[in-house]
This record gives sequence, C-alpha cells and structure tokens, in this order.
Amino acid sequence: GQQLNQSPQSMFIQEGEDVSMNCTSSSIFNTWLWYKQEPGEGPVLLIALYKAGELTSNGRLTAQFGITRKDSFLNISASIPSDVGIYFCAGYRNSGNTPLVFGKGTRLSVIA
Amino acid sequence: GAVVSQHPSRVICKSGTSVKIECRSLDFQATTMFWYRQFPKKSLMLMATSNEGSKATYEQGVEKDKFLINHASLTLSTLTVTSAHPEDSSFYICSARVAGDYGYTFGSGTRLTVV
Repeated sequence: GQQLNQSPQSMFIQEGEDVSMNCTSSSIFNTWLWYKQEPGEGPVLLIALYKAGELTSNGRLTAQFGITRKDSFLNISASIPSDVGIYFCAGYRNSGNTPLVFGKGTRLSVIA
Repeated sequence: GAVVSQHPSRVICKSGTSVKIECRSLDFQATTMFWYRQFPKKSLMLMATSNEGSKATYEQGVEKDKFLINHASLTLSTLTVTSAHPEDSSFYICSARVAGDYGYTFGSGTRLTVV
C-alpha cells in the first residue's frame, strides 16, 4: 500500500541538540499526525495537524503542515535521553474511516 | 482521552495452535478498528480494517482465513491467528478512530511468539 517518504531513517545526536525530521507524499493529505513509539509499545500521538500551513507545538516538539498539503516536518529542541524512540509520520484524507498511511519511521538515539 | 486497551501484551504459543488478541475501546465507541503488524525495525503494516457488525476488509496479501477478525460490538474487535506458525511471530497493534475527532488512538500492542 501507499507509504509516506520519511527521512532520515535514523539519527544519532548528542543530548541538548535539536532534531528535525520530515515526511513527504506524492498525494495530498488533509491531516498529518506525528507519533512516537517506544520498544514493545504502540504508537503514541505527539502532534496532530489539520490545516495547511499550520504550525503546532507540544512542549519541545514543533510540527508543521506543509502549505502544499504534501509534506510535514517535526522538530525536537534540546533533546534529552527520554526522546529516544521511533518517530512516525502518518496522514489521512478525512474520507470516512480510512486507515492511516505511515512513514517508515525515524529511529532517534540520544547520546548523553 | 480516548483509550484503546489491547490484550494480551505478550503471548507465546506452540505451532499449530490459535491465539486471540483483543482490542477494546474503553471510553468511546469504535465502529471501525484497524489491525497492524509490525516487524522489527519496520513501520506498521496494515492488515485489515475491522467494521462493527460486518466483515472485515483485508489488505492484499493478508490471508483472511488465517487472521480472523471479529468486531461484534462497538467496543471490541478481536484478531485470531489460526494455526500459528513461527513466521507469524510479530508485533500486532490495533487502532481506532475516535468519532467526531480526527484522532487515531493505538493499543499497546501484542508481542506474539510462536515456538
């Protein structure tokens, strides 16, 4: 099935550094979501974006819904060890109960 | 907030046996639930869409006779892995869309190991 293009695939950063990851799609989405998954757990919603151009923050996390509705990015500022995990972007088109389309994930490692 | 409870979190079974995984929406009604499979270091792969009171819709390549889905009520969907084999070992996750909202909430996943 369709999948979003998410990059980078993995990142190793020093504690305190900022992180940026992004997702692109060949088709338009009406909603973009960013999830974090820790080992042995299901994904947990971090940020939801509903409008093109929207910039939303959740603590140290900031995400934007691209103006073309075909992309989104997630920034994490001043990373800490507990930020470690896999971050997934996901999108859907609001057409009924359609499933989410996922990116392949960005595996984040934070070195203390 | 909307919570999806998935049970069990871990299960080990012998080859040839069947395993049932339950997914419950605790504080909302879910007419539709989604079942995913996740391999190590991979993204979530949609297996099927579970519709309350009707047959599930399976993704291409997913065996409907092997992965039986039942969505008998607005708060419960089950996935039964029948005649399990070691290659069925994986992490299975359910999800539901919260009505009147744009959010999808996920269960905590089930780690299935077939020995």
